[in-house]
Amino acid sequence: DQQVKQNSPSLSVQEGRISILNCDYTNSMFDYFLWYKKYPAEGPTFLISISSIKDKNEDGRFTVFLNKSAKHLSLHIVPSQPGDSAVYFCAATNTGNQFYFGTGTSLTVIP
Amino acid sequence: EAGVVQSPRYKIIEKKQPVAFWCNPISGHNTLYWYRQNLGQGPELLIRYENEEAVDDSQLPKDRFSAERLKGVDSTLKIQPAELGDSAVYLCASSPGVNYGYTFGSGTRLTVV
Repeated sequence: DQQVKQNSPSLSVQEGRISILNCDYTNSMFDYFLWYKKYPAEGPTFLISISSIKDKNEDGRFTVFLNKSAKHLSLHIVPSQPGDSAVYFCAATNTGNQFYFGTGTSLTVIP
Repeated sequence: EAGVVQSPRYKIIEKKQPVAFWCNPISGHNTLYWYRQNLGQGPELLIRYENEEAVDDSQLPKDRFSAERLKGVDSTLKIQPAELGDSAVYLCASSPGVNYGYTFGSGTRLTVV
C-alpha cells in the first residue's frame, strides 16, 4: 500500500521557469513532510521540510506548500537551474518513527 | 563532517552467497536506518535503530536478513543467502532523532546474478 504517491515520473522545465513537483498522501496522521533530492550514484539529500501546522515553508529558491485537506504537498523551484536536474522524492512521517517515500519524480531542467 | 559512510559502493555476487554491508553514521546521530531502494521506487525501510536497539525491524525479511549495531555507532546489514530479487541499492541513513531529516549515505548497489 503506497501511502505517499508521486504520480509524475518525470518533468521537464526550461531554465529560469518554475518547476512544480507534486506529492499526495493517504495517511491523515502524517505530521511532517520532507523533500529529498537525489543525483545518480548518490544517496538522497535533504532539501526542505514542512510541519503539518504550517501550509508553506520557503528556503531560497525552494518552497513547499502543504494542503492538509487535500492531503497534497508540492515543491516549487523558482527559478529552475540546470543543476536542479535530479530525482526528487517526497517523504512523510507520523512522529518520525518511519518515513514513507514516494517513487520519485525525475526533473530535467533544460538550459 | 564526513557524512554517512557506506561500504562497499558496489557488490556483485552469485545467488545463494552471503553478503554484508557496512555503515558508519554521522557522529552523535543516535538513530540509524537501513533502507532498500529498488529501481524506480522510493526507499523502503528495513530496520531502524535507536542507539544499539532495533526498535523497528518489522519489514526486515528475517529468514535471510540480519543487522547489528553492537556499540550503537556503526552497523552492518547481512544477507545470507542472497536471492536474485535482493538486487537493489541498500541505503543507510542517520538522524539526530525523530522529526529530523535523515542524512543518507551513498548506498551500496547490490547485484545478485
